[in-house]
Amino acid sequence: EDQVTQSPEALRLQEGESSSLNCSYTVSGLRGLFWYRQDPGKGPEFLFTLYSAGEEKEKERLKATLTKKESFLHITAPKPEDSATYLCAVQAYQAGTALIFGKGTTLSVSS
Amino acid sequence: DAMVIQNPRYQVTQFGKPVTLSCSQTLNHNVMYWYQQKSSQAPKLLFHYYDKDFNNEADTPDNFQSRRPNTSFCFLDIRSPGLGDAAMYLCATSSIGRGLSYNEQFFGPGTRLTVL
Repeated sequence: EDQVTQSPEALRLQEGESSSLNCSYTVSGLRGLFWYRQDPGKGPEFLFTLYSAGEEKEKERLKATLTKKESFLHITAPKPEDSATYLCAVQAYQAGTALIFGKGTTLSVSS
Repeated sequence: DAMVIQNPRYQVTQFGKPVTLSCSQTLNHNVMYWYQQKSSQAPKLLFHYYDKDFNNEADTPDNFQSRRPNTSFCFLDIRSPGLGDAAMYLCATSSIGRGLSYNEQFFGPGTRLTVL
């Protein structure tokens, strides 16, 4: 069964304190791995797509990496406005278009 | 700006009273999705349309129906809402890329459904 597990469930950081969020997955044939940011009461906002092991993508203070079993979202020198829930999702070849989401990591950054 | 719009943002209905949620998009994407997200849980796909082809997830209850009258609009109908159907309902769109690969999905702001 295709599965996505995110850790930790919650993460509290001080402003400027860098850290990483983990997304481990088991899927038979990865088509793509997606990272989204979700603010309370809003829809997920697309951040990155990764397709193959070794691929990396960056956007401002965020960097996403992918291996054959997991993905990391690295946050460098976070700011309070980075506080949100970060969702990881995978798309498998056999599952067509369906995204399988993890439960997310809720990040709180305090100043 | 191209976007995914959902109406209403908040919907209150009574137990058993049918309700319809609306989604429209200006992205001209050929695939539209409906997800259900309960508090502190992952979004769960209910069904999707590839153009006019309807694709139902195996575990989506019969209580949930969908219509896509044209490329821009998609509706979610809940025929007899129960207390367990209270959730955020998210609409998303995507396009088909080269080699029939599905590109990233773009989400609307969601409709928060309350069932009394």
